[in-house]
Amino acid sequence: DAKTTQPPSMDCAEGRAANLPCNHSTISGNEYVYWYRQIHSQGPQYIIHGLKNNETNEMASLIITEDRKSSTLILPHATLRDTAVYYCIVRGFGNEKLTFGTGTRLTIIP
Amino acid sequence: GAVVSQHPSWVICKSGTSVKIECRSLDFQATTMFWYRQFPKQSLMLMATSNEGSKATYEQGVEKDKFLINHASLTLSTLTVTSAHPEDSSFYICSARGQNRVLAFFGQGTRLTVV
Repeated sequence: DAKTTQPPSMDCAEGRAANLPCNHSTISGNEYVYWYRQIHSQGPQYIIHGLKNNETNEMASLIITEDRKSSTLILPHATLRDTAVYYCIVRGFGNEKLTFGTGTRLTIIP
Repeated sequence: GAVVSQHPSWVICKSGTSVKIECRSLDFQATTMFWYRQFPKQSLMLMATSNEGSKATYEQGVEKDKFLINHASLTLSTLTVTSAHPEDSSFYICSARGQNRVLAFFGQGTRLTVV
């Protein structure tokens, strides 16, 4: 699976949009981009995933660049409960494993 | 999303004893289950992958005789930490994926403390 690079930490003001970047420059054509988050002392929570088109659900939006080498997770109106570590993971369809990197620690500031 | 339940949420055991952790998929059939371990301030490290009815595949450096994994049904997998020692104290997390093989969902984790 392609490796990902994320900033170690970010702050965002409550009520503003949180934009979390992820670099996956070695992604191959059949690999999806997944986002999970982990709130302290809990298991990871699925957020969203995509292949090449932008995706939106009730939690977030995923913007994937045209060359697929990077993506951005957008939380449109961040709340204090969005404080967590966010993981960007690239995995090929049919590949068994989800391999976690170090993620981005997002802190929402009141 | 689908629900994965892990039990217990936390456990304290004496050194040398064994501890069993259960992972259940409540509303879907989990053809594949994964077990992770997470030490403080670190990321999740995959320990093993199990497919229903098959032997688990362990990651390099994980002792299969110490961490026994059973995946006997499509809704239940267990991880048994045998002869636990203080260095086995960690946060253990299971994940389950159904036949569509696209999404994996995680349990809430089990905090194991060996004293």
